[in-house]
Amino acid sequence: SQTIHQWPATLVQPVGSPLSLECTVEGTSNPNLYWYRQAAGRGLQLLFYSVGIGQISSEVPQNLSASRPQDRQFILSSKKLLLSDSGFYLCAWSVDGVNTEAFFGQGTRLTVV
Amino acid sequence: GQNIDQPTEMTATEGAIVQINCTYQTSGFNGLFWYQQHAGEAPTFLSYNVLDGLEEKGRFSSFLSRSKGYSYLLLKELQMKDSASYLCAVLSSTNAGKSTFGDGTTLTVKP
Repeated sequence: SQTIHQWPATLVQPVGSPLSLECTVEGTSNPNLYWYRQAAGRGLQLLFYSVGIGQISSEVPQNLSASRPQDRQFILSSKKLLLSDSGFYLCAWSVDGVNTEAFFGQGTRLTVV
Repeated sequence: GQNIDQPTEMTATEGAIVQINCTYQTSGFNGLFWYQQHAGEAPTFLSYNVLDGLEEKGRFSSFLSRSKGYSYLLLKELQMKDSASYLCAVLSSTNAGKSTFGDGTTLTVKP
């Protein structure tokens, strides 16, 4: 069966510090991968998606970047965090080429102080 | 552009039926998802509609009208554990399976 792992679950970082959130998927190959951010009481905003290794598309301009160094690994990064980067970050995957649902990781609650 | 509207909050009584509506205007349409999200947790998949009509799955049903840009999620025999946020999401493009999410409807089930 397929599983998705995202860590850490919670993170408190000072303004200006770097960020690295990691997500890995097991039990499938060539998945579509996504990073979403969710503000309190709001829906999910798609930040990045990837259809393959090294292929990253950004949906919104921001202080963040993403990388896919391996087929089932997706990393969200920042060189210098801003207060506005606080939020609930969710990694997700879906089956490539098929209209199927997304499967989400447990999420990371990031607080920038 | 993409626009998905849902009511912000709803309240219902245990054992009752509740209908959560979603209207959408998107540049592409390849299906509509409903997800359930408990506070502080990740969303989990409930249903997927791509053709007009009603899809029933246990206590939950989902309806779609593509011509009206409208969907609803129907929850029957409400239980306390159904208290959660319900997210409507449109699969706007088959390219990479990208979905656009609404802001969600927070449902509170009272005894």
